[in-house]
Amino acid sequence: GAVVSQHPSRVICKSGTSVKIECRSLDFQATTMFWYRQFPKQSLMLMATSNEGSKATYEQGVEKDKFLINHASLTLSTLTVTSAHPEDSSFYICSALRDRVGGNNQPQHFGDGTRLSIL
Amino acid sequence: GEDVEQSLFLSVREGDSSVINCTYTDSSSTYLYWYKQEPGAGLQLLTYIFSNMDMKQDQRLTVLLNKKDKHLSLRIADTQTGDSAIYFCAERTGGFKTIFGAGTRLFVKA
Repeated sequence: GAVVSQHPSRVICKSGTSVKIECRSLDFQATTMFWYRQFPKQSLMLMATSNEGSKATYEQGVEKDKFLINHASLTLSTLTVTSAHPEDSSFYICSALRDRVGGNNQPQHFGDGTRLSIL
Repeated sequence: GEDVEQSLFLSVREGDSSVINCTYTDSSSTYLYWYKQEPGAGLQLLTYIFSNMDMKQDQRLTVLLNKKDKHLSLRIADTQTGDSAIYFCAERTGGFKTIFGAGTRLFVKA
């Protein structure tokens, strides 16, 4: 159980294009999802926390208008990289927190990531 | 502040035990996790330990927690070439936020 599906796995596109990445929790509900960015040989950098039905919470230094997050249902969050440029090329990973009555100390379950390459 | 540190590289021979170490700073951590990342993939949860436990064993994996020293370790018994990956230590603070270490790259020599 606790499977998170992330799509697409790889995107190559031209500079100026907007790219949408989907993150789905397949067998559980997730009010809270997270979006991370990972540079080569580095750890995960939390970009934003996505909350179903409300605005995402962005980490310091992350541009809200550049990285649009929509969490419209309990099983789906999307990250749209708007007008992408080569410096946005990276590995983007989402994770979901399983909803649980009585508190939430569950581990995060991760998608397989999306490798974005902007030419 | 919140910080998680771990060594960046570990090399072992196949069949030996691997021990990956991690230190954290937040004394209010509730859960501590070990994740595995293979090349080009997301993170796979390996195991986790609640902060009031000292040890947890799951097949070849043993997690030791020294809460006084804020030290966490992951021991992999009988390490195989398939265990080669990056291992991330992570702590769950009092809220929802999870803080990750930089990852330890485990290289297993045949």
